[in-house]
Amino acid sequence: DTGVSQDPRHKITKRGQNVTFRCDPISEHNRLYWYRQTLGQGPEFLTYFQNEAQLEKSRLLSDRFSAERPKGSFSTLEIQRTEQGDSAMYLCASSTSGGRGTNEQFFGPGTRLTVL
Amino acid sequence: AQKITQTQPGMFVQEKEAVTLDCTYDTSDPSYGLFWYKQPSSGEMIFLIYQGSYDQQNATEGRYSLNFQKARKSANLVISASQLGDSAMYFCAMREKAGNQFYFGTGTSLTVIP
Repeated sequence: DTGVSQDPRHKITKRGQNVTFRCDPISEHNRLYWYRQTLGQGPEFLTYFQNEAQLEKSRLLSDRFSAERPKGSFSTLEIQRTEQGDSAMYLCASSTSGGRGTNEQFFGPGTRLTVL
Repeated sequence: AQKITQTQPGMFVQEKEAVTLDCTYDTSDPSYGLFWYKQPSSGEMIFLIYQGSYDQQNATEGRYSLNFQKARKSANLVISASQLGDSAMYFCAMREKAGNQFYFGTGTSLTVIP
């Protein structure tokens, strides 16, 4: 296993279209996170899964955003009716749980979304 | 209030010199973890170092060390013997035990000058 992977790496879409991104975490990691990062900013938390359960969602995650992790492995993030303000890098990260608390997150390369 | 504050948008350091990147945090949770990540121009976030709120000693990982001052709520990253490959964005982050999300600062852009 070589780390967290995300697909696609780049997505250009027209305003109003739906897009879906995929994240494959490190296989033994039960926690999965989605973040959004805009230029000049740090990653902003969107949502978090432990196994298949979505345990936390940011208020940034409007009703146009939905995330799933159906079998506790890969996850998808869908944005419906995209807006130009959705243009950003979408980062996925995974980690283990428990232990002494280090639980550092390992990030994927991100999906860069451009909404025209 | 911001959970993580990084006040240095950009820093320059001469190759082989040491540099300190500042980070202050805000939490009322007595149990938390502090993290530093590096983000090169390729975009991938790379974990560097971790400090737990109950750790007695400052964390070190190779050329990286964390200057943890709990009373001042600061967790500065020290990079010793800077290398050209250290040029990147550096993000400080915190996870509170009570929650599951990580809070990131706005980052510091480090440029190593040959």
